[in-house]
Amino acid sequence: LAKTTQPISMDSYEGQEVNITCSHNNIATNDYITWYQQFPSQGPRFIIQGYKTKVTNEVASLFIPADRKSSTLSLPRVSLSDTAVYYCLVGNSGAGSYQLTFGKGTKLSVIP
Amino acid sequence: GAVVSQHPSWVICKSGTSVKIECRSLDFQATTMFWYRQFPKQSLMLMATSNEGSKATYEQGVEKDKFLINHASLTLSTLTVTSAHPEDSSFYICSARKTGAGTGELFFGEGSRLTVL
Repeated sequence: LAKTTQPISMDSYEGQEVNITCSHNNIATNDYITWYQQFPSQGPRFIIQGYKTKVTNEVASLFIPADRKSSTLSLPRVSLSDTAVYYCLVGNSGAGSYQLTFGKGTKLSVIP
Repeated sequence: GAVVSQHPSWVICKSGTSVKIECRSLDFQATTMFWYRQFPKQSLMLMATSNEGSKATYEQGVEKDKFLINHASLTLSTLTVTSAHPEDSSFYICSARKTGAGTGELFFGEGSRLTVL
C-alpha cells in the first residue's frame, strides 16, 4: 500500500485559499487518490477523488502532476467551518481485499 | 449519496462486559466493510476487513478473539468488543465500499465512542 506524507498542521485566515500537498512516491498504477475531511468525534467525510491531472467539485479541487507522486488539495476561500483534519489516501479497488491506510493527516486551523 | 450508519454513537460499559457496535449501509449493498479505531488526536487505525459471508481479516496486532466481527448480510457488519477493559476505550469507525464500485470510494459511519469504566 502506498504510504502518504502530509504536513502535520496548517493555519489559514478566513477567505484565503488553502493548498495541502500530499506525497505518495510509491503510488501504484491502479491507485486513486482520495481526500477525506474529519471533524472531531465524527467519521471521515469524502471530499474529492482523482487519478490524474485536475479534478474539481463544488467544495475543492485536486491537482495531480503527471508523475502522480504527489497531489494537492485546494480549498477555495476557507471559512471557520473548514477547520478539521484532512487525510490523503491512496488505494484502489482491484480484485481481492481493498483498504485505505490513513496517514497522520493535516490539521487545518482557520483563523478569523 | 451513500449513507453508512453506526449504532450506538456512544456507549459506556463496565470492565469485563461485552459491547456490540453495528454498522449499516442504508442505501447500498456493501460486500466489504472496514473497522477502524481512533485514539484521541491520532489517525484512524485499520483493525479489520469484514467480508460478507466469510471470516474477517484482522490487521497485525488486533486480537480476533477480542474484537469479534460478523458480516452476515450485504448491509450489516457488527463489531463486538468482548470482555472490554479501560484500554479498549476509543472511537470506533466503520466504512463500507459499494459492491462493484470501481474507484473504491469509501463511505464512513459517524463513529461510536466506547468508554470502559
